[in-house]
Amino acid sequence: AQSVAQPEDQVNVAEGNPLTVKCTYSVSGNPYLFWYVQYPNRGLQFLLKYITGDNLVKGSYGFEAEFNKSQTSFHLKKPSALVSDSALYFCAVRDKAAGNKLTFGGGTRVLVKP
Amino acid sequence: DTEVTQTPKHLVMGMTNKKSLKCEQHMGHRAMYWYKQKAKKPPELMFVYSYEKLSINESVPSRFSPECPNSSLLNLHLHALQPEDSALYLCASSQEGGQLSNQPQHFGDGTRLSIL
Repeated sequence: AQSVAQPEDQVNVAEGNPLTVKCTYSVSGNPYLFWYVQYPNRGLQFLLKYITGDNLVKGSYGFEAEFNKSQTSFHLKKPSALVSDSALYFCAVRDKAAGNKLTFGGGTRVLVKP
Repeated sequence: DTEVTQTPKHLVMGMTNKKSLKCEQHMGHRAMYWYKQKAKKPPELMFVYSYEKLSINESVPSRFSPECPNSSLLNLHLHALQPEDSALYLCASSQEGGQLSNQPQHFGDGTRLSIL
């Protein structure tokens, strides 16, 4: 069975500082990994994905994520956080063996203070 | 603006009412999904349709009845719901099949459902 863990319920960071949101995963085969962001009263917006290839993946709004197979991690990063980045972030994994099913982490609330 | 459109945005209904949630996408996606999301929690998968056929039912109570009339539309029919069914209901779609199966799901903004 596949699973995703986001160890931090909330991350607080000052505007302009680097932002990191942690994610670890467990799958039986090769993972497809995704990050989504959810703003209040909105659906989930896709940020980036790792399928294969370069371990550093660049996505929307200046976000990037690093795939680390040995540590089974896929941490989301942004070099300089904005107040508008304050939102709920979800990591998700899709195992080919599980078909179309996405498994989400519990979510991490990011609060960027001015 | 999202490419997956859900209506209505808000719905309040009594436990004896019958209502339907609607979802529409015009991206040519052949997989469509219903999720239930409680506040500050991740979405929970309810149903998956692949090429207009139900492929996954996550043991959802029969008071929720999905329907996929065509490749662009997905409905969720509601009947005799309970207060604990109050939540945000999200629809999503994605490309389907072969190498397309690694494409992300696109979500609508959801219907916020309140059961009185």
